[in-house]
Amino acid sequence: KQEVTQIPAALSVPEGENLVLNCSFTDSAIYNLQWFRQDPGKGLTSLLLIQSSQREQTSGRLNASLDKSSGRSTLYIAASQPGDSATYLCAVVAFSGNTGKLIFGQGTTLQVKP
Amino acid sequence: DGGITQSPKYLFRKEGQNVTLSCEQNLNHDAMYWYRQDPGQGLRLIYYSQIVNDFQKGDIAEGYSVSREKKESFPLTVTSAQKNPTAFYLCASSPQGQGTQYFGPGTRLLVL
Repeated sequence: KQEVTQIPAALSVPEGENLVLNCSFTDSAIYNLQWFRQDPGKGLTSLLLIQSSQREQTSGRLNASLDKSSGRSTLYIAASQPGDSATYLCAVVAFSGNTGKLIFGQGTTLQVKP
Repeated sequence: DGGITQSPKYLFRKEGQNVTLSCEQNLNHDAMYWYRQDPGQGLRLIYYSQIVNDFQKGDIAEGYSVSREKKESFPLTVTSAQKNPTAFYLCASSPQGQGTQYFGPGTRLLVL
């Protein structure tokens, strides 16, 4: 059974710092991996999607890497800003028939202090 | 505007009452999903539907029911059998055959 773990559960950094969020998964047979952002009381916003054949994806100050063989992904945030404060969720996609099922980690809650 | 809408934003349930959460999408997506999120935890899959008039149980389906009579709508009923319904409920949709899911804004269910 696929399990996704995110470490740390919470992180507090000063503004301007570069930081790394970690995600690990137990079964390397994934279709893709997604990183989401969730603001308090809101839905999820997709940040980056990495296909299983890819090693990394970049969007602005965000860079996500994927190492299937070791079952790990990292989300790198450069030059963090207070507006980056949110919960970041990692999820892997496993297919059952024609339906991709997302399996989520518990999330890392990030606070960036001005 | 294309997207997924959920209503209401907040919902209150009395003891022994069934309540229904609405989820509508105009993205022409075939697949739709319902998740439950508890504080400090990730999302857990309740039910999903790949096509109209078909749906499958997820990991925590007990105490919930769904219907998929129209492609754009996937309502979730929280029945009185669900003993711990207080949570944040998220609906999502995806094109058939793709893993990417798009999420609605969520409904917070509280028990009176």
